[in-house]
Amino acid sequence: DAGVIQSPRHEVTEMGQEVTLRCKPISGHDYLFWYRQTMMRGLELLIYFNNNVPIDDSGMPEDRFSAKMPNASFSTLKIQPSEPRDSAVYFCASSPHEGYSPEAFFGQGTRLTVV
Amino acid sequence: GIQVEQSPPDLILQEGANSTLRCNFSDSVNNLQWFHQNPWGQLINLFYIPSGTKQNGRLSATTVATERYSLLYISSSQTTDSGVYFCAVINTGNQFYFGTGTSLTVIP
Repeated sequence: DAGVIQSPRHEVTEMGQEVTLRCKPISGHDYLFWYRQTMMRGLELLIYFNNNVPIDDSGMPEDRFSAKMPNASFSTLKIQPSEPRDSAVYFCASSPHEGYSPEAFFGQGTRLTVV
Repeated sequence: GIQVEQSPPDLILQEGANSTLRCNFSDSVNNLQWFHQNPWGQLINLFYIPSGTKQNGRLSATTVATERYSLLYISSSQTTDSGVYFCAVINTGNQFYFGTGTSLTVIP
């Protein structure tokens, strides 16, 4: 397996534009996580899915953020409208279902810059 | 949520030296992972260690869940060990809580 694949690797957009980040998890993994990393706040969990169903989105900063997982092999994180403070590296991770013992594998991240 | 504290926040080592990184957490957890984020930003799994001790080459980790801490040992450090080391704990809801990391610089 190629691991968790995220696209794009880098995104530069103007404030107010819609941004869509994409993630392909490892095949067979039941859990998918979206994280954000900034210098100020470190790594934060935004939302996670189990079997394509959102389980906890309490980390999503505000209504401008939304995430979907239409099938087991694809997820998107959308920001609309984007703001400069959304600039960060966004990581997607997936983990297999092992009862209470998941082991997460991360994608290479998408570096988002909102100008 | 669970508070995860890592120490030291920064560490500079001479190549070949050994070091110990610590992770303390504030509540009972189901599991714990150590990650290395290399200078290019990539996050890499090191250990998945709910309890006990594991070793992988020059790295080893010990978790004492009852006392709410974990240690990561790096022996004979190399410049490629540079980066940030994160501890993440996992609660019963499969949620991850990350520590703030230890930034390691290994100088030749």
